[in-house]
Amino acid sequence: ELKVEQNPLFLSMQEGKNYTIYCNYSTTSDRLYWYRQDPGKSLESLFVLLSNGAVKQEGRLMASLDTKARLSTLHITAAVHDLSATYFCAARGSQGNLIFGKGTKLSVKP
Amino acid sequence: DGGITQSPKYLFRKEGQNVTLSCEQNLNHDAMYWYRQDPGQGLRLIYYSQIVNDFQKGDIAEGYSVSREKKESFPLTVTSAQKNPTAFYLCASSWTGGEPEAFFGQGTRLTVV
Repeated sequence: ELKVEQNPLFLSMQEGKNYTIYCNYSTTSDRLYWYRQDPGKSLESLFVLLSNGAVKQEGRLMASLDTKARLSTLHITAAVHDLSATYFCAARGSQGNLIFGKGTKLSVKP
Repeated sequence: DGGITQSPKYLFRKEGQNVTLSCEQNLNHDAMYWYRQDPGQGLRLIYYSQIVNDFQKGDIAEGYSVSREKKESFPLTVTSAQKNPTAFYLCASSWTGGEPEAFFGQGTRLTVV
């Protein structure tokens, strides 16, 4: 059974600092997703990672995937307040369904 | 515009009532999903469907039912058997092959009154 774990679950950062969110998954999965959720809102797709070594970047966010280690990371560079949100990773199960981590609540402070 | 539409945005249910949440997509996606999110929690899978007239239970299917009579539509019924239905419900859809990015609707917030 596929399980997805994120850490940390809460992250308080200062503006301008760098940090990384980690996403481990327990069994083989061919796709890894990162989403952003603002309070009371739906999920916004950030990245889809398909292969070992895949790296995608958008603005201050960069996601990578290591399928051998079953690990994906979301790296935040020079954080700004607008990045405050909850970030979820999800892995695709064998039946095509998405299994989500519990989310990382990011708070960026001046 | 292509997208995935959930309705209503807010829904209030009395004890013992069944209610149905609507989810429609015009993205021509094969797969559709229903998730439940409780405050401060992640998303838990209720049901999913890969093709028309077929669906599978997720982790928390008890007290819920679905149908997939059309490719575009995947309604979720919250039955009276669901004892704690107050939550935020999210519908998603994706292709099943290629690069299947999953898109989410805006959600329905269900409250028991």
